[in-house]
Amino acid sequence: KQEVTQIPAALSVPEGENLVLNCSFTDSAIYNLQWFRQDPGKGLTSLLLIQSSQREQTSGRLNASLDKSSGRSTLYIAASQPGDSATYLCAAQGGSEKLVFGKGTKLTVNP
Amino acid sequence: GAVVSQHPSWVICKSGTSVKIECRSLDFQATTMFWYRQFPKQSLMLMATSNEGSKATYEQGVEKDKFLINHASLTLSTLTVTSAHPEDSSFYICSAQGLAGGGEQFFGPGTRLTVL
Repeated sequence: KQEVTQIPAALSVPEGENLVLNCSFTDSAIYNLQWFRQDPGKGLTSLLLIQSSQREQTSGRLNASLDKSSGRSTLYIAASQPGDSATYLCAAQGGSEKLVFGKGTKLTVNP
Repeated sequence: GAVVSQHPSWVICKSGTSVKIECRSLDFQATTMFWYRQFPKQSLMLMATSNEGSKATYEQGVEKDKFLINHASLTLSTLTVTSAHPEDSSFYICSAQGLAGGGEQFFGPGTRLTVL
């Protein structure tokens, strides 16, 4: 059974700092891995999707990497802004097409 | 593209009543839709997977008679919470996967259910 863990559970940084969010998964037989953003009381916004054959994906100030062999993914946020404050979720998708989510990292970027 | 809507966005009901939540893919056809539940400060937990025209597949521990799922068309799936109780209060989110399958899921904005 796939389990996804995100560390840290919460992170507070000053504006402008670069940061890394971590995600680990127990079953390396994944189809893809996705990173989402969730604002309080809102749904999910997809940020990046990395297929199992890929090593990384980039979108603007965001870069996500995937290391299947070690069961890890990281989300790198460059030059953080207060608007980046949200909960970031990673989810692993296996062959059954089910997404297994981590509990998220709550990010606060202080002005 | 790839927009998924949910209706209602929030609902308050009395204990014992039933509530229906709709999930629609607005600009694509979805052969598979997923229903998730999220309790406060918890992650999303998959409740069931529904395929158009067939019965939904429920995850372990989810009561199929309590959470009725219908996926009658390629753009609409509904979740009905029957005889709702306060412990059913949660944030319900659906996602839809396109005809190509095996790919990205697109998520709706969620429905906040409060049972008094």
